[in-house]
Amino acid sequence: ILNVEQSPQSLHVQEGDSTNFTCSFPSSNFYALHWYRWETAKSPEALFVMTLNGDEKKKGRISATLNTKEGYSYLYIKGSQPEDSATYLCAFQGDNFNKFYFGSGTKLNVKP
Amino acid sequence: EAQVTQNPRYLITVTGKKLTVTCSQNMNHEYMSWYRQDPGLGLRQIYYSMNVEVTDKGDVPEGYKVSRKEKRNFPLILESPSPNQTSLYFCASSPQIHNSPLHFGNGTRLTVT
Repeated sequence: ILNVEQSPQSLHVQEGDSTNFTCSFPSSNFYALHWYRWETAKSPEALFVMTLNGDEKKKGRISATLNTKEGYSYLYIKGSQPEDSATYLCAFQGDNFNKFYFGSGTKLNVKP
Repeated sequence: EAQVTQNPRYLITVTGKKLTVTCSQNMNHEYMSWYRQDPGLGLRQIYYSMNVEVTDKGDVPEGYKVSRKEKRNFPLILESPSPNQTSLYFCASSPQIHNSPLHFGNGTRLTVT
């Protein structure tokens, strides 16, 4: 079983703060790295699928970077809003790309 | 509306009573998979299917069965549920496994007493 770690486990920020969190994954046999946003009582929704080393993706105030050589990805949220409160999950696909390995998530709470 | 539908949303059952959680997608997706989510752990993959009649084990397949007789449906079967299968279950689908995100159902919260 592959190890995918996310840090921090939880984060409390004030509205307007910018924040970032990390997903660490094996640096060998990389295929893709996914980010999902999971609101309480809902289902996870896709943010990004990243495949190339050095990739940067952006969706509104949320962006992500990827470093496959050292095995990490950062998710950034600029100017956090209360509606950004959710758990952010990353998922790793390796050489068996039919298998997904999820981190345990970073739970973000944005206070108004 | 494009969606992945799981039923039931909530289920309480007793040890040993066979149950099936259904999953259906209306997006003509080839790839489907099942996950369980437990406190403090990430989503763990139970089984996946690359296409009709093609299924394989994920990381935690013990105690579960699946079938993929039609493209749209991918039921999860617990032949003899046990309390350690109490969990939140998600079904997900994807048009293809390459560079495509997973689309998740709304989840099924299962309690086995």
